[in-house]
Amino acid sequence: ETGVTQTPRHLVMGMTNKKSLKCEQHLGHNAMYWYKQSAKKPLELMFVYSLEERVENNSVPSRFSPECPNSSHLFLHLHTLQPEDSALYLCASSQSTGRGGYEQFFGPGTRLTVL
Amino acid sequence: AQTVTQSQPEMSVQEAETVTLSCTYDTSESNYYLFWYKQPPSRQMILVIRQEAYKQQNATENRFSVNFQKAAKSFSLKISDSQLGDTAMYFCAFMFAQGGSEKLVFGKGTKLTVNP
Repeated sequence: ETGVTQTPRHLVMGMTNKKSLKCEQHLGHNAMYWYKQSAKKPLELMFVYSLEERVENNSVPSRFSPECPNSSHLFLHLHTLQPEDSALYLCASSQSTGRGGYEQFFGPGTRLTVL
Repeated sequence: AQTVTQSQPEMSVQEAETVTLSCTYDTSESNYYLFWYKQPPSRQMILVIRQEAYKQQNATENRFSVNFQKAAKSFSLKISDSQLGDTAMYFCAFMFAQGGSEKLVFGKGTKLTVNP
């Protein structure tokens, strides 16, 4: 595997289900990100982890719970979601210096549908 | 607040022609970076081109070039000799550092279709 991978690629879940999205980066980066991509809206940054510590939580509802066990893996745990949470969830990674400049590398995304 | 505006939701161009995608941004930051990302249909988002705000020279990557106007806060992307494979959503993005992390703010995107 190379780059940033995400599983599953597609997920359909009911509002009472609990599921998890997985992201893995094979680039040796020290920062990972979750984004939400909805139709007609800009990508929304949800969470940032740098050196496995969460440094950013953009007021995301508690039904989304991130986990970063090490610098290569990132999870997004989902529970009691709403239909408006249906979207493409993108994971990204980068070599963060705290000063900016390096590009973020994106995974293919998980297409989530909440029924 | 940092914002990025892409005023063209959709554009089309004939193969081999040139097209320019517009992007403006608003920020009070003095040190930042600008990016254009490409997201082909059902495929991964990839970087097209990157520009450091402190550099006056416009970035170029093969058929892709930017027109960076710092005072006007404008960052347009020019695609020369358009190819069918250039069909994609194009996102303009602005990066700045805050609180020990780097934030990337995206525009809504421009859907570009290259016609044969």
